[in-house]
Amino acid sequence: AQSVSQHNHHVILSEAASLELGCNYSYGGTVNLFWYVQYPGQHLQLLLKYFSGDPLVKGIKGFEAEFIKSKFSFNLRKPSVQWSDTAEYFCAVSAGNNRKLIWGLGTSLGVNP
Amino acid sequence: EAGVTQFPSHSVIEKGQTVTLRCDPISGHDNLYWYRRVMGKEIKFLLHFVKESKQDESGMPNNRFLAERTGGTYSTLKVQPAELEDSGVYFCASSQVTGRDEAFFGQGTRLTVV
Repeated sequence: AQSVSQHNHHVILSEAASLELGCNYSYGGTVNLFWYVQYPGQHLQLLLKYFSGDPLVKGIKGFEAEFIKSKFSFNLRKPSVQWSDTAEYFCAVSAGNNRKLIWGLGTSLGVNP
Repeated sequence: EAGVTQFPSHSVIEKGQTVTLRCDPISGHDNLYWYRRVMGKEIKFLLHFVKESKQDESGMPNNRFLAERTGGTYSTLKVQPAELEDSGVYFCASSQVTGRDEAFFGQGTRLTVV
């Protein structure tokens, strides 16, 4: 069965620190990859997505992610976090033309000012 | 443009009672999805509508859950009778028809069964 693994469940950083959140998936075929974010009290929103092409994807608010097919990974990065990045981050995968999303457990990020 | 809206935002019911959750997708979005997050677990897919038809209901836990989408507009998810393990946050999302489209999420309904 397809699954998504997020390596860190709780991360605490100071402002200006660099961020990398790991995401690995298990599926051998074509995948579509997503990172969603949920800010406190708000709905889930898309940070970035990868379908094909350049494996380095840039998203909103300075986030980027790199798809490494050989490692089945799609790690999320940001060079310098801000207090406003405090949120829960979710990696999700859909397989081929199937539209349903398979989700990781989520990573709660706290940024200290 | 209005986003995906869900009602109610919170619901507390007793075991054995019935609860109906509602989702209004973004206007014009043919795809509608229901997901659920049980505390401490990952978000899990429940089902997918295309217009009024159920495209994929492989994630529905059991026959106590009934989803409908009358006329291809809003959708309801009814739990009858509710059990303690049904507690969680129920998310609805919608997307357009095109192949590589983003799913927009509602704020979720937090259901607590006591």
